Amino acid sequence: QKEVEQDPGPLSVPEGAIVSLNCTYSNSAFQYFMWYRQYSRKGPELLMYTYSSGNKEDGRFTAQVDKSSKYISLFIRDSQPSDSATYLCATQPSGSARQLTFGSGTQLTVLP
Amino acid sequence: DSGVTQTPKHLITATGQRVTLRCSPRSGDLSVYWYQQSLDQGLQFLIQYYNGEERAKGNILERFSAQQFPDLHSELNLSSLELGDSALYFCASSASAGAGTEAFFGQGTRLTVV
Repeated sequence: QKEVEQDPGPLSVPEGAIVSLNCTYSNSAFQYFMWYRQYSRKGPELLMYTYSSGNKEDGRFTAQVDKSSKYISLFIRDSQPSDSATYLCATQPSGSARQLTFGSGTQLTVLP
Repeated sequence: DSGVTQTPKHLITATGQRVTLRCSPRSGDLSVYWYQQSLDQGLQFLIQYYNGEERAKGNILERFSAQQFPDLHSELNLSSLELGDSALYFCASSASAGAGTEAFFGQGTRLTVV
C-alpha cells in the first residue's frame, strides 16, 4: 500500500465548476501537507502549504486537512481552463525526516 | 519561475553510459532534493543534501550518486544507464533541512536512454 493514495482521474469539468481533489495518507507522522500543480511534465509548482488539521484559503484555492481521517483535499472555485493540469498532493513528517512523499497525481481538464 | 535551475533540459544517451545532471538551488536555499518522475512510478524521492552533507536517502540505485558543492549547487550522477532509467529528474530546494519547509522545484531534466 502506498503511503499517499490519490485518485489519478482523469477529471473533466466545465469552466466555472467547483473542483474537489482528494488524497488519503497512512502515516500518522505526516504533519505538513502540500498541493503542487504540474503542467505538461514541467516542474511541480507549489500551490498550497498547510500544517496539521484545518483549512487554508488562497484566492480560488482552499486546502483542507483532516488528520483524524487522514484525508487531505484541495478545492478550486470558479475553475478556469488555465487550471487544467495534474495536481499532486504531498506530505512531510515532522522530526528529522524531510523528504516529501507524493500522491500519484490527478489529471484535471477544465473545459471552456 | 521557481528560482531553481536545472541543466540540461533534455539528454539522450545510450545504455551503459554515464551522465551528470546539474541543479542550482534558489538563492539562499541550503537544502537540495532530487526526485525521479516516471510514468508508472510518479514522483520518487532519491536523495537530499543540506549544506554539503547528505541528509536523507530514498530508493536511490547504487548506480546513482549525488553531491552538493560548497557553492550549494548539486549534481546527480547516473551511471551504467539502462532503458528503465529514462524519466524526468527534478531538483527541488528549500531554505533549511527541517520538515515543514516549502520545497520549490526546477523544470527538470528529461533523460532518454536508448
